[in-house]
Amino acid sequence: AQSVTQPDIHITVSEGASLELRCNYSYGATPYLFWYVQSPGQGLQLLLKYFSGDTLVQGIKGFEAEFKRSQSSFNLRKPSVHWSDAAEYFCAVGAGRRDSGGGADGLTFGKGTHLIIQP
Amino acid sequence: KAGVTQTPRYLIKTRGQQVTLSCSPISGHRSVSWYQQTPGQGLQFLFEYFSETQRNKGNFPGRFSGRQFSNSRSEMNVSTLELGDSALYLCASSFVASQGGNTIYFGEGSWLTVV
Repeated sequence: AQSVTQPDIHITVSEGASLELRCNYSYGATPYLFWYVQSPGQGLQLLLKYFSGDTLVQGIKGFEAEFKRSQSSFNLRKPSVHWSDAAEYFCAVGAGRRDSGGGADGLTFGKGTHLIIQP
Repeated sequence: KAGVTQTPRYLIKTRGQQVTLSCSPISGHRSVSWYQQTPGQGLQFLFEYFSETQRNKGNFPGRFSGRQFSNSRSEMNVSTLELGDSALYLCASSFVASQGGNTIYFGEGSWLTVV
């Protein structure tokens, strides 16, 4: 069974500083990887995804993530955070469907990392 | 293009009652999945529907059920509500590609409180 670990429950970063949120996954084959962000009382917004190809993926809001197969990691980074980045961040892994039937298998989420921005 | 729409956004129910939540996927998306989010368990996959058929199911009791209509809209039902069913229920939709991963988009969720 697949699993996702986000080692940091809370992270505090000063506004303007760089950010790295860690994500480790366990999955037997090549995974589909996602980062989502959730603001209080809201749903999940997709930041970026990795399916295949270039292991460094760019997302919205200036975020990027790097897939490292050897480390089973998919860490999220941002060079300079803004106060509006304060939120809950979730890493997720999906098996996906590789046959012609398509369809989306259920995503397995990490427990989330709560990002706090200091002024 | 409208996003995933969930109704109602907030509701309060009494133990033992049943509840139905509705989800309208993004236009053109045929896969709809449901997730439960609680502080203790985090985000957990409930089930996924594609072309009116349940294709995947998470580890939830039979009190949790769902269906999908021919227009891809979906409903989930929880019968005999328990206090522990209080949660944010998220619906997600995706366009089904013939191969490869599917980007999954989430709605704002339905907040269910069981008293």
